[in-house]
Amino acid sequence: LAKTTQPISMDSYEGQEVNITCSHNNIATNDYITWYQQFPSQGPRFIIQGYKTKVTNEVASLFIPADRKSSTLSLPRVSLSDTAVYYCLVGPNNAGKSTFGDGTTLTVKP
Amino acid sequence: DAGVIQSPRHEVTEMGQEVTLRCKPISGHDYLFWYRQTMMRGLELLIYFNNNVPIDDSGMPEDRFSAKMPNASFSTLKIQPSEPRDSAVYFCASRSRGESSGANVLTFGAGSRLTVL
Repeated sequence: LAKTTQPISMDSYEGQEVNITCSHNNIATNDYITWYQQFPSQGPRFIIQGYKTKVTNEVASLFIPADRKSSTLSLPRVSLSDTAVYYCLVGPNNAGKSTFGDGTTLTVKP
Repeated sequence: DAGVIQSPRHEVTEMGQEVTLRCKPISGHDYLFWYRQTMMRGLELLIYFNNNVPIDDSGMPEDRFSAKMPNASFSTLKIQPSEPRDSAVYFCASRSRGESSGANVLTFGAGSRLTVL
């Protein structure tokens, strides 16, 4: 499984765009990149997944460069309710094991 | 679908007692995972099942921990005897092999917060 590296914490203000980058230098050809969000006292929740280039849904965008050795989760116009821990996972399709790293604690301030 | 259902949500017990945590995965999901979360160690994968069969239990900390999945709609994680260091939030998650969105899309339950005194 590819090892991932994320910043431990980030601060932002309401209304700003937040970009969280995850490094995964040893990503394999068949690996997907998946991001989860976890609020206090809740289980992680799926946000977005991608393989290459750009993926966008109603919550976030995921940017993946051509070499796929990193990825960036972009949250547009964050609000206080986006304060959470964000995890980046890398693994092959139909993977059994799903291992979470330390995640990035995002704090959104008023 | 009601999602992944875990019980109990909170459990307080004394050292040495047996603890049983329960999980009902999403219907049709054929992978089930048990995680433990603490401040010190983060989210740790304890064990996972595929089609009710345990595939990898290398994360189970010691023999005091055991997990079963007698059928596709139910799993238990048991700690016997429990110790204070087992205090944590235990999450169950499930996933479908056939999801068109690809790999690693887990759905988590709300968790069971265990406190061992």
